Amino acid sequence: SYELTQPPSVSVSPGQTARITCSGDALPKQYAYWYQQKPGQAPVVVIYKDSERPSGIPERFSGSSSGTTVTLTISGVQAEDEADYYCQSADSRGRYKVFGGGTRLTVL
Amino acid sequence: EVQLEESGGGLVKPGGSLRLSCVASGFTFNDYSMNWVRQAPGKGLEWVASIFSSSNYIYYADSIRGRFFISTDDAKNSLYLQMYSLTAEDTAVYYCARDSEGSYQMDYWGQGTLVTVSS
Repeated sequence: SYELTQPPSVSVSPGQTARITCSGDALPKQYAYWYQQKPGQAPVVVIYKDSERPSGIPERFSGSSSGTTVTLTISGVQAEDEADYYCQSADSRGRYKVFGGGTRLTVL
Repeated sequence: EVQLEESGGGLVKPGGSLRLSCVASGFTFNDYSMNWVRQAPGKGLEWVASIFSSSNYIYYADSIRGRFFISTDDAKNSLYLQMYSLTAEDTAVYYCARDSEGSYQMDYWGQGTLVTVSS
């Protein structure tokens, strides 16, 4: 089955830049989406179609893609950004959705 | 305002069955593809199943294929997940989520319903 691979954890100090990667063989063919999830809450999209930002999401959130890896970048991290982040995409034929294992962002 | 509200979770014994429901409002239900996603306690998100427009296409994760069945009732703006042969590994919060038009992004989520499989 198709898998997306993320680092389990990333730690940064306030004001620094956090980068969370997600790797998968089908990412050159399928868009990636990034979700933020805080404890006890449903996930919220922060980046869609690799690099698009939904309305209401702060400009410090950005996304990029290169080959089989997509990256979520949070510039000038704030304490409120501490959360779990999940990438999501689909297999090459677009039949099965898949989530990465999730990355816990800790703001030191 | 788009809203999704799940119900039907609860405590069930191993080997038992359960049916989850998700009532949608604020959009034309049969214009969108819908999903079930689950999250075991302390674990990550796991896509479970998707149903595309007019039930023409249904896809399941390998982990539940043959045991779980997704369906819709457009007249009731409702999404369902019928679950059979439940095991402890199926214990999770189950979310329904709407696909954004023309993409695999899940743009709206319910608050989830907890399913606990235990004797």
